[in-house]
Amino acid sequence: ETGVTQSPTHLIKTRGQQVTLRCSSQSGHNTVSWYQQALGQGPQFIFQYYREEENGRGNFPPRFSGLQFPNYSSELNVNALELDDSALYLCASSSYRPANYGYTFGSGTRLTVV
Amino acid sequence: AQTVTQSQPEMSVQEAETVTLSCTYDTSESNYYLFWYKQPPSRQMILVIRQEAYKQQNATENRFSVNFQKAAKSFSLKISDSQLGDTAMYFCAFMKVTGNQFYFGTGTSLTVIP
Repeated sequence: ETGVTQSPTHLIKTRGQQVTLRCSSQSGHNTVSWYQQALGQGPQFIFQYYREEENGRGNFPPRFSGLQFPNYSSELNVNALELDDSALYLCASSSYRPANYGYTFGSGTRLTVV
Repeated sequence: AQTVTQSQPEMSVQEAETVTLSCTYDTSESNYYLFWYKQPPSRQMILVIRQEAYKQQNATENRFSVNFQKAAKSFSLKISDSQLGDTAMYFCAFMKVTGNQFYFGTGTSLTVIP
């Protein structure tokens, strides 16, 4: 049984650029959620994807967008990067109703915006 | 809105001793889940223990146990026989029963001293 894999592990981008982060979900999981963890903070919910559609969104602007593919892997896209977007981005996969069936987190992508 | 508060940014404990991490939360929900997650330097969030709010019995997992006080909205984690591998950030988290997102606290950095 494979876990959640995120790529890349580290990334440096310039303010104003666009970035795409990738996540492969754990085998048997059909739901992917993305979290932003700023330095010294707890993770904040960005959005969740289920059956290739957005299924809930946190307090993040539209320049944060995502995709889920038929194999349940997912991408997080961030446009017009700002310095405050520097953070660890965590992906987590689950079956639907993760509180019942468990969440598996990846090791994250560390994004630095300069 | 749900909020989770961890008032101890840093704690330390001697190896083999017992330590308690504090967490309080605020919600108008009557049924929900509470979690403790561990985040070691590898950055992956690892589930330590989970509590269903409708269960009065406190959850236990080997050396880890919780003290759940629903009326006080308190959810503390006790680690017994602390081991060096317990050194990590610990996050308290809340999830609605019908929800799809975690609400995390700001974390407690625990160091186990040899």
